Amino acid sequence: GNSVTQMEGPVTLSEEAFLTINCTYTATGYPSLFWYVQYPGEGLQLLLKATKADDKGSNKGFEATYRKETTSFHLEKGSVQVSDSAVYFCARQGRGADGLTFGKGTHLIIQP
Amino acid sequence: KAGVTQTPRYLIKTRGQQVTLSCSPISGHRSVSWYQQTPGQGLQFLFEYFSETQRNKGNFPGRFSGRQFSNSRSEMNVSTLELGDSALYLCASRPESPNVEKLFFGSGTQLSVL
Repeated sequence: GNSVTQMEGPVTLSEEAFLTINCTYTATGYPSLFWYVQYPGEGLQLLLKATKADDKGSNKGFEATYRKETTSFHLEKGSVQVSDSAVYFCARQGRGADGLTFGKGTHLIIQP
Repeated sequence: KAGVTQTPRYLIKTRGQQVTLSCSPISGHRSVSWYQQTPGQGLQFLFEYFSETQRNKGNFPGRFSGRQFSNSRSEMNVSTLELGDSALYLCASRPESPNVEKLFFGSGTQLSVL
């Protein structure tokens, strides 16, 4: 079946460090790809998306590029802040009305 | 505009009981989806309702069911609760068009089964 695999956490970084969270997906059905973020005590929020190969999604300094050749959608940020501490979920959705398939989430901790 | 509202926020039940969770979507949104979030399995899709009809269903047993009312509010029911049903249940709504990037999540109902 369809799946999303992302690096397990927690990932602990110092403020202003460079961030990469790896994500790979199953390519069946030319999916759309997403990163969601969940802050403590809150629901998920869409962070960014990409709907086709070579698209780059970006928001709040975060970026991810839809790589068809490596079936990857890695999340990056050049300089993280304490306020970026949250759980990040990579997700895919095939065409049609299927629900989202999520990765297991990566807990990011940014220390001052 | 109010966000997706889920009630109750926390719930404690015992094995064998049943539970009903409620979700009020954003005004104007006709699609409501439910997800189960656990530390072991992560986020898993339960089902989606649109205009009072179940449009899609994930891989969960029949003990998990739902419905949607004419005002788009949705309820999810779990019968014969098991310990493994302890989870955060998230509801999400979106407008009429199947535009996933406009999916809005509520804060969830934390269910504990003892």
